[in-house]
Amino acid sequence: GAVVSQHPSRVICKSGTSVKIECRSLDFQATTMFWYRQFPKQSLMLMATSNEGSKATYEQGVEKDKFLINHASLTLSTLTVTSAHPEDSSFYICSAVPGSLYGYTFGSGTRLTVV
Amino acid sequence: AQTVTQSQPEMSVQEAETVTLSCTYDTSESDYYLFWYKQPPSRQMILVIRQEAYKQQNATENRFSVNFQKAAKSFSLKISDSQLGDAAMYFCAYEGGGATNKLIFGTGTLLAVQP
Repeated sequence: GAVVSQHPSRVICKSGTSVKIECRSLDFQATTMFWYRQFPKQSLMLMATSNEGSKATYEQGVEKDKFLINHASLTLSTLTVTSAHPEDSSFYICSAVPGSLYGYTFGSGTRLTVV
Repeated sequence: AQTVTQSQPEMSVQEAETVTLSCTYDTSESDYYLFWYKQPPSRQMILVIRQEAYKQQNATENRFSVNFQKAAKSFSLKISDSQLGDAAMYFCAYEGGGATNKLIFGTGTLLAVQP
């Protein structure tokens, strides 16, 4: 089946530093990937839609300068949290759509802790 | 804008019994998709079942079935013969028929299965 690989699964960083999260489609090409943020015991909130070869589309209220998204190839999208602060600590999940028969496939998520 | 509402923050069911999780949504579109996703403690999002709005027949997947009432904008999930492994957070999600392919999630229902 279609797999989306997300790394790292966990990361701890110091306040003020940047962290990059990778999301790869392993056996299909993903022209579009989605990035979500999930706080404990809450739902997934869409942050941005990543489009291969073009600029990402950010949801209202999401700081595009803080959450940099790059989708340089059909199999890789990255989310960089710049100048991270403790309030950026959260669970980040990516997803893609392998095809109409599969629906959405999600990465395993990244737990970011900023200290 | 589309919204998805899950009015049951927590539910509990005895092993081998049946439980129904509620979901309502609001949309002005006629063509769309509805999903139920399961998120176990590992936090990996797993597709449980999918329903196309143009199909009148309710979707089923083994022990999981839905009651899709398009006019009422209701999409409930029935889990039959509940198993301990069904314990998880369940999210109802909506995808519009347009080109954006964004998933809109409900707030989730935490299901506990009692042995």
